[in-house]
Amino acid sequence: NAGVTQTPKFRVLKTGQSMTLLCAQDMNHEYMYWYRQDPGMGLRLIHYSVGEGTTAKGEVPDGYNVSRLKKQNFLLGLESAAPSQTSVYFCASAGGAFGRVTFGVETQYFGPGTRLLVL
Amino acid sequence: AQSVTQPDIHITVSEGASLELRCNYSYGATPYLFWYVQSPGQGLQLLLKYFSGDTLVQGIKGFEAEFKRSQSSFNLRKPSVHWSDAAEYFCAVGYTGTASKLTFGTGTRLQVTL
Repeated sequence: NAGVTQTPKFRVLKTGQSMTLLCAQDMNHEYMYWYRQDPGMGLRLIHYSVGEGTTAKGEVPDGYNVSRLKKQNFLLGLESAAPSQTSVYFCASAGGAFGRVTFGVETQYFGPGTRLLVL
Repeated sequence: AQSVTQPDIHITVSEGASLELRCNYSYGATPYLFWYVQSPGQGLQLLLKYFSGDTLVQGIKGFEAEFKRSQSSFNLRKPSVHWSDAAEYFCAVGYTGTASKLTFGTGTRLQVTL
């Protein structure tokens, strides 16, 4: 099992350009998450999904869009990149049964990250 | 709103010395607590987690953590640090019914001197 993979590993954009980050997981997890990591600020949740076809906003969603068309993939889009979006982006996935309330907190498994520089 | 505090931004210890990294959470409900480690240029790896039961939990790489409800703390410990433990450590908290979302602390960077 590859676990959680992210594509690309590194990208440089100019202000105003768009791009899509791809996250894939092979653990059949229902929940998927996108975080950004900035120095001194830990990880902040951008968007998340509780199952195929669902998305929800996290703590810092502005400037980002997401889609979960397939259970194993979670895409993060930047429509018009800004220098403030320079960051390291992490994807994570966690177990859960769609349509059934999960009373616990599933462990999140992380990808290796995508380093994005916006000039 | 829930929050996690890691008061130490940077800690330096000598190889072979003991280690304690502090973590405090702020919320009234029963927390699910996690410690993750991040090596430079890598993703986050789970060290250990606490859900319920015994308040002292064992993790990988010789780490352990103790949950103290009265102090709202979940400190990470290791009796003898190895140079390979140099990394950044994150404490995180989650709660039931929240789609397993986690709130992370800002991290503690551990430096190990030989």
